[in-house]
Amino acid sequence: DQQVKQNSPSLSVQEGRISILNCDYTNSMFDYFLWYKKYPAEGPTFLISISSIKDKNEDGRFTVFLNKSAKHLSLHIVPSQPGDSAVYFCAASGGRETSGSRLTFGEGTQLTVNP
Amino acid sequence: ETGVTQSPTHLIKTRGQQVTLRCSSQSGHNTVSWYQQALGQGPQFIFQYYREEENGRGNFPPRFSGLQFPNYSSELNVNALELDDSALYLCASSLRREQETQYFGPGTRLLVL
Repeated sequence: DQQVKQNSPSLSVQEGRISILNCDYTNSMFDYFLWYKKYPAEGPTFLISISSIKDKNEDGRFTVFLNKSAKHLSLHIVPSQPGDSAVYFCAASGGRETSGSRLTFGEGTQLTVNP
Repeated sequence: ETGVTQSPTHLIKTRGQQVTLRCSSQSGHNTVSWYQQALGQGPQFIFQYYREEENGRGNFPPRFSGLQFPNYSSELNVNALELDDSALYLCASSLRREQETQYFGPGTRLLVL
């Protein structure tokens, strides 16, 4: 039962253009969403998060959009840079009374930014 | 501020053996979570520790166990290793139990032969 899905295993973008990474979820108890970036041989690095009371959160070049009715979120990176090339994971948490603050992850999307 | 550290970085074991992985949480963080990441997949939640007690467990068998110490560092123990236990094991810490943002260490790569 994959509660968080990233349907695109890979995405290739030109430097300077926008990268859009997508994520869908099925569990209506999820109320906090995060994006992590992972380079090979390193642990995931926290990028940006959003609470379900918002529909948008920005931090520099990174913006996360949340559509609760569609159970969909996306990460926009503008402008994309070659150093952004990494695997991006979407994660969700919720229902903390019974499940603590465990994170449920998607499968990841490999972003490649070409110079 | 020191980030999350894990040891060892790599480990090779044979089927049936036991392994202990270690994690030091980020300074000031009292909650530690462990995840297993198989090749090509996202991290899967194993369990979480808060103030030395287990605070939630994922769908992993009892041969996966853990400890948290008074200084908030943690251990993951896996008994009777199976080939499918080969994975990257990630430790993450958060400032408090209710905080969802978790900060990850570099992981321990375990290979079971």
